[in-house]
Amino acid sequence: GAGVSQSPSNKVTEKGKDVELRCDPISGHTALYWYRQSLGQGLEFLIYFQGNSAPDKSGLPSDRFSAERTGGSVSTLTIQRTQQEDSAVYLCASSRRQGGAKNIQYFGAGTRLSVL
Amino acid sequence: KQEVTQIPAALSVPEGENLVLNCSFTDSAIYNLQWFRQDPGKGLTSLLLIQSSQREQTSGRLNASLDKSSGRSTLYIAASQPGDSATYLCAVNNNAGNMLTFGGGTRLMVKP
Repeated sequence: GAGVSQSPSNKVTEKGKDVELRCDPISGHTALYWYRQSLGQGLEFLIYFQGNSAPDKSGLPSDRFSAERTGGSVSTLTIQRTQQEDSAVYLCASSRRQGGAKNIQYFGAGTRLSVL
Repeated sequence: KQEVTQIPAALSVPEGENLVLNCSFTDSAIYNLQWFRQDPGKGLTSLLLIQSSQREQTSGRLNASLDKSSGRSTLYIAASQPGDSATYLCAVNNNAGNMLTFGGGTRLMVKP
């Protein structure tokens, strides 16, 4: 597609439920990133995928958070047993290659998660 | 651990004014620095990327500078317009592209 696509755009769930957030990166981009934007915490890195390599999970806040990327394209971020502090906007980004000085990350519009 | 700070947190200016947004970072070993724009309820739009070997980048009315040794970057907006109203985020990349570390943003309001 033309840009990074995320779904749903909004998600309201009850505390304790599991949620899945989807990201469809720009075609041909090998790197995919998940970030979280919450009040008081700003934008924080969660997890990073590069091709078929093992993901960098260093930003995941707890073991309730996991993500996978199927076929090197679409990614799903799963939050189990959601808590109210998980309420945030979850942003996905993709880039053409792994890194280097010219690496530009392109962001989706995000999924706004509200945990009641 | 890299920390990124943006000052001011909010700024309100009349249309037509030139303005400067500031970004500072604690670890100067960066690959690049990006400036983004975020409109309410929307994702981030990349405005400018400055590689660590560069000192500035320009795009239209925007000019971003980088002083790596002092850990500072500025985003200069010339002849501001109401359509420039948004939150501007600075982010640094200092680990081979694995992740960006963001500042808290500057919320800009340009009044007609």
